[in-house]
Amino acid sequence: DVKVTQSSRYLVKRTGEKVFLECVQDMDHENMFWYRQDPGLGLRLIYFSYDVKMKEKGDIPEGYSVSREKKERFSLILESASTNQTSMYLCASSSSMDTVIGGYTFGSGTRLTVV
Amino acid sequence: QKEVEQNSGPLSVPEGAIASLNCTYSDRGSQSFFWYRQYSGKSPELIMFIYSNGDKEDGRFTAQLNKASQYVSLLIRDSQPSDSATYLCATSGGYQKVTFGIGTKLQVIP
Repeated sequence: DVKVTQSSRYLVKRTGEKVFLECVQDMDHENMFWYRQDPGLGLRLIYFSYDVKMKEKGDIPEGYSVSREKKERFSLILESASTNQTSMYLCASSSSMDTVIGGYTFGSGTRLTVV
Repeated sequence: QKEVEQNSGPLSVPEGAIASLNCTYSDRGSQSFFWYRQYSGKSPELIMFIYSNGDKEDGRFTAQLNKASQYVSLLIRDSQPSDSATYLCATSGGYQKVTFGIGTKLQVIP
């Protein structure tokens, strides 16, 4: 069974901390994505990557960075966590053909609280 | 800005009725269209995709696409309480990125 695994289900961090959210997929997918989901705002794309060491800004990249050193792993970094980054973070992956005909496979999400 | 518009709901239907969920999109270059179901506290899961005008049926679910009107809908027949969830409409214009709507919350009343 294909999987996208996010390392933590719940995280609580302090304001100003550097936070790493990890995502690993076992499907050999080219594309990986980071979204945040907030009530009333839906899924908003933070960053995506279509190849190793490649990254593209999404709709709300400010305050975030990403790293993709290996094909299966895509990390989201909050350089200095702030309370407005409290949210549900969802990682997704897809092959290029999946994006056309089948959509994404999502991880189970990380609920981050910044205090 | 490419947009996908949905009414956030909640949409309430009695058990056994047909639930009709609607979505419009702004990007005429959109080629593929998806419906995801998201239970509370869970991540979205793909339930339907469609890329040709017309209807596509899968069990109790029917996706409808009208590219001229830039309109996508999802019909759920014989609605069950287990169908209560948020339904996200999404579109793709190419090989990489999918744009999501905010989702419609469906409540099926026993």
